[in-house]
Amino acid sequence: GAVVSQHPSRVICKSGTSVKIECRSLDFQATTMFWYRQFPKQSLMLMATSNEGSKATYEQGVEKDKFLINHASLTLSTLTVTSAHPEDSSFYICSARAPGGGEKGFDGYTFGSGTRLTVV
Amino acid sequence: AQKITQTQPGMFVQEKEAVTLDCTYDTSDPSYGLFWYKQPSSGEMIFLIYQGSYDQQNATEGRYSLNFQKARKSANLVISASQLGDSAMYFCAMREGTGGGNKLTFGTGTQLKVEL
Repeated sequence: GAVVSQHPSRVICKSGTSVKIECRSLDFQATTMFWYRQFPKQSLMLMATSNEGSKATYEQGVEKDKFLINHASLTLSTLTVTSAHPEDSSFYICSARAPGGGEKGFDGYTFGSGTRLTVV
Repeated sequence: AQKITQTQPGMFVQEKEAVTLDCTYDTSDPSYGLFWYKQPSSGEMIFLIYQGSYDQQNATEGRYSLNFQKARKSANLVISASQLGDSAMYFCAMREGTGGGNKLTFGTGTQLKVEL
């Protein structure tokens, strides 16, 4: 149990276009979804925390108008990179904590498989 | 101050040997969790091991064990009998508090290379 499906796994887009990344919790309801960004050979940096039915909470320095997060249902959160530029090229990965996570060996945190975005 | 510190950017180990990856943490919350993840070149985050702040015993999962020294605020990962497939990036992470909406904070990672 506790699977998060993330799509697409890879996307190449032209500069100036928008790209949407989806994360779905397949067998649990994700009240909260976390979105991370990772540059090559660097750590995962939290971009924002999305809560179902409310506005996302963005980390300092993350442009909320550029990285639009929508968490319209308990099983789906989306990240849209608007007007993408080459510097937005990165690996984006989502994570959610399954209910009762503290009782699970992995503490309930489940990650999507990530999306590698290349902006040309 | 960094919440999670991994001081080894890269480590080499010979196949079948044991290796220790270092992790220190900083928190004032009495309730927290510590994690280790493996990230191969494909990018997926593979959960390895978890240690809760109130756990009395060090966590073990197969070839992985976590050397939890609470007073020193360290949570080192020990991989025994290294295999070529263990070559990957390893991240230490921490959850502060107990809420389901609590984020994980990651260290900078250690790139492990297992050699013949």
